[in-house]
Amino acid sequence: AQSVSQHNHHVILSEAASLELGCNYSYGGTVNLFWYVQYPGQHLQLLLKYFSGDPLVKGIKGFEAEFIKSKFSFNLRKPSVQWSDTAEYFCAVNAMNYGGATNKLIFGTGTLLAVQP
Amino acid sequence: DSGVTQTPKHLITATGQRVTLRCSPRSGDLSVYWYQQSLDQGLQFLIQYYNGEERAKGNILERFSAQQFPDLHSELNLSSLELGDSALYFCASSLRPESTDTQYFGPGTRLTVL
Repeated sequence: AQSVSQHNHHVILSEAASLELGCNYSYGGTVNLFWYVQYPGQHLQLLLKYFSGDPLVKGIKGFEAEFIKSKFSFNLRKPSVQWSDTAEYFCAVNAMNYGGATNKLIFGTGTLLAVQP
Repeated sequence: DSGVTQTPKHLITATGQRVTLRCSPRSGDLSVYWYQQSLDQGLQFLIQYYNGEERAKGNILERFSAQQFPDLHSELNLSSLELGDSALYFCASSLRPESTDTQYFGPGTRLTVL
């Protein structure tokens, strides 16, 4: 069965610090990878996604993530965080399936990021 | 605003009761998903529909059921409610049901069971 691990549960940073949030998944086949963000009191929003191609993916708001197949990882990075980045970040994976069967997202437990001004 | 709407925003009910949560997908999206977010279980996939048909099932309890109607809106029915069913229930939608289709999430319905 697929699973996703996010090792950092709470991260506290000062503004302008660099961010890296870890995400590892377990699945032997081809996967699609996602990072979603949930701002306080709001719904989940897609930050970025990886399906294939360049393993370095750029998303919205200056975020990027790197897919390292050999490490089963998809870490999220941002060079300089802002107070407005305070939110919960979720890594998610689904199995690539051909024939269009299902689109079941498996989420990690989330990382709560607090950015101090 | 993702374009996915969910009603109601909040629901408070008692154990043993039955509730219905409603979701309208983004215009043009044919696939709808339900997720449950709770403190102990995190975000868990419940069920997926595509054009009115069930496509995939996750950890959905037998007390829970869902359907997608011809106008593509979906309802999640929760019955014989227990305290542990208190959670945020998210609906998401995508254009197609494939794994490469991005899911767009609604604002959620917060269910409190007392």
